[in-house]
Amino acid sequence: EDQVTQSPEALRLQEGESSSLNCSYTVSGLRGLFWYRQDPGKGPEFLFTLYSAGEEKEKERLKATLTKKESFLHITAPKPEDSATYLCAVQISGGYNKLIFGAGTRLAVHP
Amino acid sequence: KAGVTQTPRYLIKTRGQQVTLSCSPISGHRSVSWYQQTPGQGLQFLFEYFSETQRNKGNFPGRFSGRQFSNSRSEMNVSTLELGDSALYLCASRATSGRGEQFFGPGTRLTVL
Repeated sequence: EDQVTQSPEALRLQEGESSSLNCSYTVSGLRGLFWYRQDPGKGPEFLFTLYSAGEEKEKERLKATLTKKESFLHITAPKPEDSATYLCAVQISGGYNKLIFGAGTRLAVHP
Repeated sequence: KAGVTQTPRYLIKTRGQQVTLSCSPISGHRSVSWYQQTPGQGLQFLFEYFSETQRNKGNFPGRFSGRQFSNSRSEMNVSTLELGDSALYLCASRATSGRGEQFFGPGTRLTVL
């Protein structure tokens, strides 16, 4: 069964304290891996799509990487405004545009 | 470019009623997917429409249905509402079925009393 697992469930950081979020997946055939940010009461905001092992993408303080079994979202020198839930999702072969989501990591960055 | 829009943003219904939610994708996007988000189950795929055809369906009962119009706007309908249908309903649009970003709307918060 296709499955996406994110860890940790929650993470508390001090402003400027870098860390990484993990997304591990077990799927029949990966077409793409997506990272989203979601603020309370809002829809997920697109961050990155990764398609093949070894691929990396960066945006401001965020960097996403992909291996054959997992993806990492690295947050460098986070600020309080980076506080949100970060969601990982996979698109599988034969699934068209269906995304299978992990449960998310709730990130809190304190000044 | 305008983003994905969903209406209404909030809805309160009672058990047994039916509800219709609307989604307008980004201009030029032909794929619309619907998701249900609850605290216990997270984000779960409902169905996807592409050029007015349902291409994929998640594990939800037949009370959940949808359709897509020729202008790519989509609606989803839930009949005979149950308390457990209370959730944030999200739609996402994508340009094609291949690579590329998939963007979400702000969601419709449905409360069933």
